[in-house]
Amino acid sequence: AQSVTQLDSQVPVFEEAPVELRCNYSSSVSVYLFWYVQYPNQGLQLLLKYLSGSTLVKGINGFEAEFNKSQTSFHLRKPSVHISDTAEYFCAVSDRGTGGFKTIFGAGTRLFVKA
Amino acid sequence: DTEVTQTPKHLVMGMTNKKSLKCEQHMGHRAMYWYKQKAKKPPELMFVYSYEKLSINESVPSRFSPECPNSSLLNLHLHALQPEDSALYLCASSQGDRDQPQHFGDGTRLSIL
Repeated sequence: AQSVTQLDSQVPVFEEAPVELRCNYSSSVSVYLFWYVQYPNQGLQLLLKYLSGSTLVKGINGFEAEFNKSQTSFHLRKPSVHISDTAEYFCAVSDRGTGGFKTIFGAGTRLFVKA
Repeated sequence: DTEVTQTPKHLVMGMTNKKSLKCEQHMGHRAMYWYKQKAKKPPELMFVYSYEKLSINESVPSRFSPECPNSSLLNLHLHALQPEDSALYLCASSQGDRDQPQHFGDGTRLSIL
């Protein structure tokens, strides 16, 4: 079974600074990877996804992620963060289980952007 | 605005009550999901419906009973819940269940007295 590890539970950063949120997944023949964001009192919203092809994936709100198969990583980056980026970020992988595929979420990283 | 609509947004119920959570999507998605999310934790999968059939049940207690009346609707019937069942309950849908991202509703915040 797949697993996802988000290496940082909290990441504080100043506004307009760059940020990287780290994610590692367990190895698999084929893997589908996602980053979701959750703002307070809301559901999750897809930031970006990697299914195949180019290893650099661009998403919404200026975020991008790089798929690295040799390091089994899918780190999320943004060159300049805003106060409004303060939220919980979840890395996720699609995993085949009994009955079908399901999404396995990492524990989450709380991004806190300071003025 | 989210494309997955959940009602009610908040629900307070006693341990002997029966209530239902509702979820609706009109994106033509054929997979629908229920998740439970405790504070500061990731969503935990409860059930998956694929083409209106229950395909995954993550060993959820029988006091939670899912129902998929049609391809647009998903219900979660609640009965005799425990205080530890207090959480945010999220519904999601997707085109397929393997490589398609999920679209989430804003959830129902459930409190058990």
